[in-house]
Amino acid sequence: AQSVTQLDSQVPVFEEAPVELRCNYSSSVSVYLFWYVQYPNQGLQLLLKYLSGSTLVKGINGFEAEFNKSQTSFHLRKPSVHISDTAEYFCAVNTGTYKYIFGTGTRLKVLA
Amino acid sequence: DAMVIQNPRYQVTQFGKPVTLSCSQTLNHNVMYWYQQKSSQAPKLLFHYYDKDFNNEADTPDNFQSRRPNTSFCFLDIRSPGLGDAAMYLCATSNGGGGYNEQFFGPGTRLTVL
Repeated sequence: AQSVTQLDSQVPVFEEAPVELRCNYSSSVSVYLFWYVQYPNQGLQLLLKYLSGSTLVKGINGFEAEFNKSQTSFHLRKPSVHISDTAEYFCAVNTGTYKYIFGTGTRLKVLA
Repeated sequence: DAMVIQNPRYQVTQFGKPVTLSCSQTLNHNVMYWYQQKSSQAPKLLFHYYDKDFNNEADTPDNFQSRRPNTSFCFLDIRSPGLGDAAMYLCATSNGGGGYNEQFFGPGTRLTVL
């Protein structure tokens, strides 16, 4: 069975500072990896995904993530955050079926 | 713009009173999903349709049912809502279910049970 761990439930960061949101997964087979963002009272929006190839993936809104197979991690980074990045971020894995396994989310709060 | 629409955005029902949540899509995707998301928790898959084929998750309570009358519409029926069913319900679609296909989410319906 697959699982996703997002160790940080909340991450406060000052505006224009860099941020890293951590995601670790467990799976006995190859996985596809995703990061979604959820703004208050809205659905989830795809930020980026890793399917294969280059381990550094760039997404929307200046976010990027790096797939590290040996550490089973897929951490999300942004070099300079804005107030508008305040939201909840979910990491998810998929092994090629219909089922996505989501982490419990990290609430990013950008402070002025 | 192609999108996933959920109605209503906010639904209040009484304990035990049946309620139906609606999802429609203009993406013409063949897979539709229903998730339950409680506060500060991960979205939990309830079931999905692959075309007309219904697939229930093993731990989805019998209280939850779904209908998909056509490609565009999918409904979530809660036959006898309990207080524990208060949550955000998210509808999503994908073009195929191969895992590498992106899921597109609607804005969700927040259900309150009194």
